[in-house]
Amino acid sequence: GESVGLHLPTLSVQEGDNSIINCAYSNSASDYFIWYKQESGKGPQFIIDIRSNMDKRQGQRVTVLLNKTVKHLSLQIAATQPGDSAVYFCAENTGGFKTIFGAGTRLFVKA
Amino acid sequence: NAGVTQTPKFQVLKTGQSMTLQCAQDMNHEYMSWYRQDPGMGLRLIHYSVGAGITDQGEVPNGYNVSRSTTEDFPLRLLSAAPSQTSVYFCATTGDLPGEQYFGPGTRLTVT
Repeated sequence: GESVGLHLPTLSVQEGDNSIINCAYSNSASDYFIWYKQESGKGPQFIIDIRSNMDKRQGQRVTVLLNKTVKHLSLQIAATQPGDSAVYFCAENTGGFKTIFGAGTRLFVKA
Repeated sequence: NAGVTQTPKFQVLKTGQSMTLQCAQDMNHEYMSWYRQDPGMGLRLIHYSVGAGITDQGEVPNGYNVSRSTTEDFPLRLLSAAPSQTSVYFCATTGDLPGEQYFGPGTRLTVT
């Protein structure tokens, strides 16, 4: 069935280092992928998205990479800051408004 | 611009009680949805609406009802609360792209 999963449940990085959060998806028909950030006690916040006809998209300090061959998605955060500490979700859109969320990866930033 | 607001922020219910979780948005978005989030899991879609007067079931609709009489409001009703409904509930609207969702702050519900 459809699933969106994450390789690691937690990730700890040193402040200033780059972070890479990985995600696997199973539905090869998905054509739109999204990353969300959720801080403690808050709702998820849209970070960046990518369509299946792209393999890379950059935002402010964030880059999303899409490898359709192995159905893999990653979020790279440059120069990680304490404010980046949160749970990060990948999600896939399977058409229309149906979005499937992964379980999340918790990012800890060490000062 | 408040975005998406939810009330209450916290709620404790006894098994069998009913209640309504409120959600309102001022973004003029047609699409709204309700999710539940359980520990260690991603968000699961309960119900959604593509516009006033139109609602549909998501992944986990049992035990919940919704209505959409206006563009702004999308309340979620628990008919007879069960401990399995203990969760954090998020309401969301969708922007121009299907996955570009804006979430409310959530309602933490505990059913004893």
